[in-house]
Amino acid sequence: EDKVVQSPLSLVVHEGDTVTLNCSYEVTNFRSLLWYKQEKKAPTFLFMLTSSGIEKKSGRLSSILDKKELFSILNITATQTGDSAIYLCAVEAGGSARQLTFGSGTQLTVLP
Amino acid sequence: GAVVSQHPSWVICKSGTSVKIECRSLDFQATTMFWYRQFPKQSLMLMATSNEGSKATYEQGVEKDKFLINHASLTLSTLTVTSAHPEDSSFYICSARELATYTQYFGPGTRLTVL
Repeated sequence: EDKVVQSPLSLVVHEGDTVTLNCSYEVTNFRSLLWYKQEKKAPTFLFMLTSSGIEKKSGRLSSILDKKELFSILNITATQTGDSAIYLCAVEAGGSARQLTFGSGTQLTVLP
Repeated sequence: GAVVSQHPSWVICKSGTSVKIECRSLDFQATTMFWYRQFPKQSLMLMATSNEGSKATYEQGVEKDKFLINHASLTLSTLTVTSAHPEDSSFYICSARELATYTQYFGPGTRLTVL
């Protein structure tokens, strides 16, 4: 059974701090790993990672994948209160349907 | 680009009634759409994979006769919760997979409350 584990489950920081969110996985026929941000509604897409060692960056957010050690990290620098959300890691694996298996998410709270 | 809409955004219904939720990809075609449900403080759980023009594939433990899925066109999938019960109250989210990148884009979700 495919498994995606995120840590920590929750994190409280102050504005300006840098945070690192972790995602490890065990899946059959890995295709890609995706990061989403979920505020009050449905998740919004952040990154898709398919190759090891290549950092993807968008503003203050960046992410990298290690396919040998089966994990990914999501970094947020100079955090702002608007970064408060649940960050979901999902892995796309297996057959023709290419379904996503989600981790439990990391609840990030950024205090002013 | 890559916008997915859901309708309605919230619905309250009486126990025993049926509720239909629509999921549309607005600016791209999606041969595959996915339906998830999410309980409070929990992650998304895949319910079924909806393929245009064919029967949906349901995950283990999801009753296909209770959660009817129709994917009649490349931009529309519907989920009908039949004979809804209070335990069906949840946040239902659809996603549509963009063919070019295989990225899933999510709709805004539908909050269902069954009284």
